[in-house]
Amino acid sequence: DTGVSQNPRHKITKRGQNVTFRCDPISEHNRLYWYRQTLGQGPEFLTYFQNEAQLEKSRLLSDRFSAERPKGSFSTLEIQRTEQGDSAMYLCASSATEYGYTFGSGTRLTVV
Amino acid sequence: QQQVKQSPQSLIVQKGGIPIINCAYENTAFDYFPWYQQFPGKGPALLIAIRPDVSEKKEGRFTISFNKSAKQFSLHIMDSQPGDSATYFCAAPSFSGAGSYQLTFGKGTKLSVIP
Repeated sequence: DTGVSQNPRHKITKRGQNVTFRCDPISEHNRLYWYRQTLGQGPEFLTYFQNEAQLEKSRLLSDRFSAERPKGSFSTLEIQRTEQGDSAMYLCASSATEYGYTFGSGTRLTVV
Repeated sequence: QQQVKQSPQSLIVQKGGIPIINCAYENTAFDYFPWYQQFPGKGPALLIAIRPDVSEKKEGRFTISFNKSAKQFSLHIMDSQPGDSATYFCAAPSFSGAGSYQLTFGKGTKLSVIP
C-alpha cells in the first residue's frame, strides 16, 4: 500500500500524560502536513514540513505540541501534558506538489 | 489568511437526486479549489479540484462549477447514490510567510442519500 499511514489509529490517555503519533507519508512526497479535526469541523492546519525542515507552525500549535521529521521521512507529533481540549482526530497528509494532498486515516485521540 | 464558508451544513436527498454544496472564499490570489470526501473513521480523500481558468469541471458524476467574480464554487453530484453518503469539504489555499501553501477547509456538509 503506498498511501499515508498513521499510527496508532486510536489513543485514549489520561489528562496530563504525553502522547506521540507517527505518520509515514507516501515515499516520494517531500511535503508533509499535520492537521487537527474536531467533531463537526473541517481539518485545521497545524504544521508543515518540506523534507526535514519544519517551515510553518499554526497558532493552534501551542508549546505543548512538537513535531519532527527526521531525515525527511516519517514524522512524529508529540503532545505533552495532554488536556481534554486536545481530544480530536489528528490527520497527516503528504504531497509532491503544493496542493495534491493525500491524507492518512488519522489518529483519534481521547483525553479522559 | 483564507476564509472559506460552506453551505449547507447537512443535506438529505433521495437516490438519483442532485445535491448541490456551495463554497465561498475570500482571497482571490490562488488557483486551486478542491473538494474532499470523508467517510466516518477515514481521512478526507480528494474528490475533484478546479483551477479558475475554467468555469466547470466534470469527473464522472461529480461536477465543480466555479464563479470567479462571485468568489464561489459548488459541487454537484449527479444521479446520487447511497454510497455517496459522506461529509464533503471544500478547501482553498492559504499562503504562509514561510513560502508554503496550506489548505483552509470549510466546515463540511454531511450528505445523506436515502434509497
